[in-house]
Amino acid sequence: SAVISQKPSRDICQRGTSLTIQCQVDSQVTMMFWYRQQPGQSLTLIATANQGSEATYESGFVIDKFPISRPNLTFSTLTVSNMSPEDSSIYLCSVDERGQGKSFGYTFGSGTRLTVV
Amino acid sequence: QKEVEQDPGPLSVPEGAIVSLNCTYSNSAFQYFMWYRQYSRKGPELLMYTYSSGNKEDGRFTAQVDKSSKYISLFIRDSQPSDSATYLCAMSVSNTDKLIFGTGTRLQVFP
Repeated sequence: SAVISQKPSRDICQRGTSLTIQCQVDSQVTMMFWYRQQPGQSLTLIATANQGSEATYESGFVIDKFPISRPNLTFSTLTVSNMSPEDSSIYLCSVDERGQGKSFGYTFGSGTRLTVV
Repeated sequence: QKEVEQDPGPLSVPEGAIVSLNCTYSNSAFQYFMWYRQYSRKGPELLMYTYSSGNKEDGRFTAQVDKSSKYISLFIRDSQPSDSATYLCAMSVSNTDKLIFGTGTRLQVFP
């Protein structure tokens, strides 16, 4: 299965600023996802990012707040804009290679731990 | 009602104990079931995968699916401190459909 590098691993940011999280995959994948994981809660899907099309956002998440880029089949970025303390969370990118027969489930990056002060 | 329910724990057991982790679900169409393990400050990693009903064993780990009860379990035999992590269940209707995750159960195995 794919190996995912996610940067930064953690950051402390001032409210009102923006942070861009990078996700680099060591192989070409079509389906890439961005998740948020808050303490004691499940993984919450923010959006699906497929190369060559606009990202598809889940209910409660909007492009102005979480713009996503997917310039090619191995890379994506998620920006958390105009941050507030409520955005403090772990952000994870993941890829789905089940359709390519390379995995039985999603593969995840190591996550970005964001604290907004 | 959430599609997938999982007790968040924490579950604290002594080394060597048998651990049982469970999830219930409401969508009878789910056919693909997974267990992920997530160590602190790491992303989830796929631990076990099962299709439809039945048991699957891999070393000290056994995944069990009871579709009639809409209930899945992960058993860990001879638990070790290195098993201390959060365990998330996940499931989907098809092999290409979106995965639905449980909240995760935090497990601590003490020496």
